[in-house]
Amino acid sequence: NAGVTQTPKFRVLKTGQSMTLLCAQDMNHEYMYWYRQDPGMGLRLIHYSVGEGTTAKGEVPDGYNVSRLKKQNFLLGLESAAPSQTSVYFCAAKRAGQSYEQYFGPGTRLTVT
Amino acid sequence: GNSVTQMEGPVTLSEEAFLTINCTYTATGYPSLFWYVQYPGEGLQLLLKATKADDKGSNKGFEATYRKETTSFHLEKGSVQVSDSAVYFCALSFGNYGQNFVFGPGTRLSVLP
Repeated sequence: NAGVTQTPKFRVLKTGQSMTLLCAQDMNHEYMYWYRQDPGMGLRLIHYSVGEGTTAKGEVPDGYNVSRLKKQNFLLGLESAAPSQTSVYFCAAKRAGQSYEQYFGPGTRLTVT
Repeated sequence: GNSVTQMEGPVTLSEEAFLTINCTYTATGYPSLFWYVQYPGEGLQLLLKATKADDKGSNKGFEATYRKETTSFHLEKGSVQVSDSAVYFCALSFGNYGQNFVFGPGTRLSVLP
């Protein structure tokens, strides 16, 4: 039982390049989330999904797109990377219901030069 | 709106000292409350939670009590260790199905031997 996994762990992109970050969970949880974490800024929600085929914007969605074609996977795409997107990205999964916690992946460190 | 406020860090303590990290929240309805811990280079891990007023969450010597009257969820530990050095995040879950999560900015704790 791996929980939440993220691929890749590290990536360096040049400005304007595109990439996709993959989040996978084996807990059969309904909800999934993408956050970014910058020094001194805490966690900021990018997008989230409450079920297969549905996504919603979070606090900082600009420059990112997401898809949830399968319940266990949540993809985060950067179409044209910018240096401002240099950050650590975390994915999380959660059961439906208010009393349940989020489970986090180990993170992806992305640098855009 | 829903929000979480935490005491600003960094907090520096000597080993075996008493720890308190304050957390207050603003929320409509009855949220669930959480403390997460993040060790260097890792994702967030759930430390403890409380789902209704007067509940006490506890784990690894840490405790926090859900105080509805003061809208607080302060984290305490009687005797900290060097291994407790990390960033601590207070969070709440709300929404009809608990799909929304709000994190505080985090408090960095350093414990010196």
